[in-house]
Amino acid sequence: DTGVSQDPRHKITKRGQNVTFRCDPISEHNRLYWYRQTLGQGPEFLTYFQNEAQLEKSRLLSDRFSAERPKGSFSTLEIQRTEQGDSAMYLCASSLRGNEQYFGPGTRLTVT
Amino acid sequence: KNQVEQSPQSLIILEGKNCTLQCNYTVSPFSNLRWYKQDTGRGPVSLTIMTFSENTKSNGRYTATLDADTKQSSLHITASQLSDSASYICVVLREGRQGGKLIFGQGTELSVKP
Repeated sequence: DTGVSQDPRHKITKRGQNVTFRCDPISEHNRLYWYRQTLGQGPEFLTYFQNEAQLEKSRLLSDRFSAERPKGSFSTLEIQRTEQGDSAMYLCASSLRGNEQYFGPGTRLTVT
Repeated sequence: KNQVEQSPQSLIILEGKNCTLQCNYTVSPFSNLRWYKQDTGRGPVSLTIMTFSENTKSNGRYTATLDADTKQSSLHITASQLSDSASYICVVLREGRQGGKLIFGQGTELSVKP
């Protein structure tokens, strides 16, 4: 257990539905990252926050995806109008000022 | 193009045997290289971090090497155990503003059989 928690651990949804995932980082960490990982591949960067500011977004993050970190602590990742191609593991990581990133257990999303 | 490539894609070994996983990278500018272990259905956990000037770093039965000239790294696992079955991911931190960006390999899936 790295200290980063994610909820839910698994989510099954029907195509077209909206889903929201939550990440709670290690409490003193100011940076929070979201990644997506498909089967047999390494994680791909989606976006990251420093405190409450979203500093970078990948081109992978289409306009159906939105992430927030309103108080600089926990973060949410929402996917609107889910598609089957969104099925993946969504990983959250946190770090202190860009040092070692600690990953959460991930949320596995299945879109049917 | 900034890439990290790993080989083999998958590997099956018997318990107690040693194995070596390979990683080649073309990431620039380079900051450090990390090996992560990812159990099925879990997030990656860091095994080692190596900077440009470090050639070898050990963590128990795991030994990582780095050749910054050829841009190659290896992860050697000694006396494998069933619990070593996992995906091993090579990750390079690309230097940049605001802390840089992690570039991930696709992982090597290791299966240790009794």
